[in-house]
Amino acid sequence: AQKVTQAQTEISVVEKEDVTLDCVYETRDTTYYLFWYKQPPSGELVFLIRRNSFDEQNEISGRYSWNFQKSTSSFNFTITASQVVDSAVYFCALRRAGNMLTFGGGTRLMVKP
Amino acid sequence: DTGVSQDPRHKITKRGQNVTFRCDPISEHNRLYWYRQTLGQGPEFLTYFQNEAQLEKSRLLSDRFSAERPKGSFSTLEIQRTEQGDSAMYLCASTVGLQETQYFGPGTRLLVL
Repeated sequence: AQKVTQAQTEISVVEKEDVTLDCVYETRDTTYYLFWYKQPPSGELVFLIRRNSFDEQNEISGRYSWNFQKSTSSFNFTITASQVVDSAVYFCALRRAGNMLTFGGGTRLMVKP
Repeated sequence: DTGVSQDPRHKITKRGQNVTFRCDPISEHNRLYWYRQTLGQGPEFLTYFQNEAQLEKSRLLSDRFSAERPKGSFSTLEIQRTEQGDSAMYLCASTVGLQETQYFGPGTRLLVL
């Protein structure tokens, strides 16, 4: 069985602070994919990043960075210098090759001005 | 290139009525997924299609739910004899190939009174 845990249900920061969203996953598969999606108040899930199980390189995209550690089954997401527009619910998800996504419960991020 | 579209965006119905939702995937995406998201939770997989074939159904998909993708393009999700517990956001996603990212539509928000 697959499982994704986002232990932080809600985080509140002040603009320009750095914030890290935690994601821990469980799977017995050797090949799998990890994702982060953003869900703003409008409701649409916006794709942020995909990482496969063979690629443990960390990635940086502008103010966003991701830290994938297979040894601890974690795929954490850091926003540097947060902005009010970053306020949303963020979901971590796990996918087997070809199959559906298993989502975590989400972390609601509130960035206050 | 347009994204995934869903119709309607909102639906209010009375308990016991039937409802049908439509999803139009990104052009040439051969895989289409349906998810359900209740308030404060992550999306949960319902079913998916490869072209017109329905390949997998979740245990969440009771016999009151039926999904079709008759020509391998758009898909419909019907709920018969709606119950208050069916109130949720119904999300559609599409992808091409086995390892590609799933792109989500804006969702249909259902409220059963």
